[in-house]
Order: sequence, then C-alpha cells, then structure tokens
Amino acid sequence: DTGVSQDPRHKITKRGQNVTFRCDPISEHNRLYWYRQTLGQGPEFLTYFQNEAQLEKSRLLSDRFSAERPKGSFSTLEIQRTEQGDSAMYLCASSSRAGGQNEQFFGPGTRLTVL
Amino acid sequence: AQTVTQSQPEMSVQEAETVTLSCTYDTSESNYYLFWYKQPPSRQMILVIRQEAYKQQNATENRFSVNFQKAAKSFSLKISDSQLGDTAMYFCASSSNFGNEKLTFGTGTRLTIIP
Repeated sequence: DTGVSQDPRHKITKRGQNVTFRCDPISEHNRLYWYRQTLGQGPEFLTYFQNEAQLEKSRLLSDRFSAERPKGSFSTLEIQRTEQGDSAMYLCASSSRAGGQNEQFFGPGTRLTVL
Repeated sequence: AQTVTQSQPEMSVQEAETVTLSCTYDTSESNYYLFWYKQPPSRQMILVIRQEAYKQQNATENRFSVNFQKAAKSFSLKISDSQLGDTAMYFCASSSNFGNEKLTFGTGTRLTIIP
C-alpha cells in the first residue's frame, strides 16, 4: 500500500501525559500537512512542512504541540501535558507540486482520547 | 483568509436518485482551488472532485459534477445515480494557489443513500 499511513490509529491517554503520533507520507511527496478534526466539524489546519522545513503553524497549535519532519520523509506530532480538549482525530496529508497538482492525500488518522 | 460554509448538516436520498450538496465560500485570493472530499464511515478522506477557480467550465468526474458560480461564491456538488457506497460525510474545501496551499474545510454534510 503506497498511501499515507499513520500510527497509532487510536490512542487513549490520561490528562497530563505526553503522546506522539507518526505519519508516513506517500513516497517523494515533499509537502506534509497536519490537521485536527473534532466531532461534527471539518478538519482544521495545524501545521505544514515542505521537505524538512516547517513553514507554517496555525494559532491552534499551542506551545504544548510540536511537530517535526527530520529527514523530509516521515513526520511526528507530539502533544505534551495533554488536556481533555485535545481529544480529536489527528489527520496527516501529503501532496506533491509535480504538474501543478494540488491534491492532498489523507491518512486514516489517529484518534486521541484524553481521559 | 478563507471561509467555507456548508448549510446542510444532513441529507438523505433514495438509491439511483440525484442529490445536490451546497457550499459557499469566501476568499480574498485571486486564484484558488475548490474541492469536494468524501469521508466514508471509519475510512480515510478521499478527493471526489476539484475545480480551479480560473476555469469557467464546471468539473465532472463520472457521476459527480459541480456547479461553480464564481460571482456568487457558490460551489455545489451533484451526485447522479446515487449508490449505497456514496454514503459518507462530504466536505467542501478551498485552498489558495500559492504558499502553503492548506485546505480550509466546511463543517460537512452527512449524506445517506437509502436502499
């Protein structure tokens, strides 16, 4: 399967704990995005990488959130000191600028539940 | 900044019938893309159809077509000959044609196809 993969698919944690999610984009896609989707809402942009450079962070991304893409391939999203309000689906997407296309391919998401 | 509005939280239609999902948007960009994404239950989001704002011709993809009214900032999705597999959440989204090209989503329409 050459699609976007995310790990884990589900994560249950207690308030105050740290969690880390991983995203593996489609091979050779140089753009990688993180979105957050809460129940009944559309996904909201969190942050974006072009290769290994993090080029934009949403104001939704508090200081407790950090994302990396160390070698321009996979990416991690870490949430420190989790709060109940962090409970959501975290979606990763990747895209390539080849041919001027603008389609983002999404992974299955990581569903986070903070107790 | 871009905003996307979907005013139909839920819709249902009989199998084989035609259904139209509504979307309005607002943007200050001179060039942008509009999308419809489909999110089936417990499955990942996939692109249904894409429209480039500078193209006047409405996009079509098999049973899916759009009605793009640029002056009215309206972008509706028509599904013809609806099938049970069309049951899903449908999200309208927009992005600019430059920069990070992040997607701005509406709140979605839950479409149910009734056998």
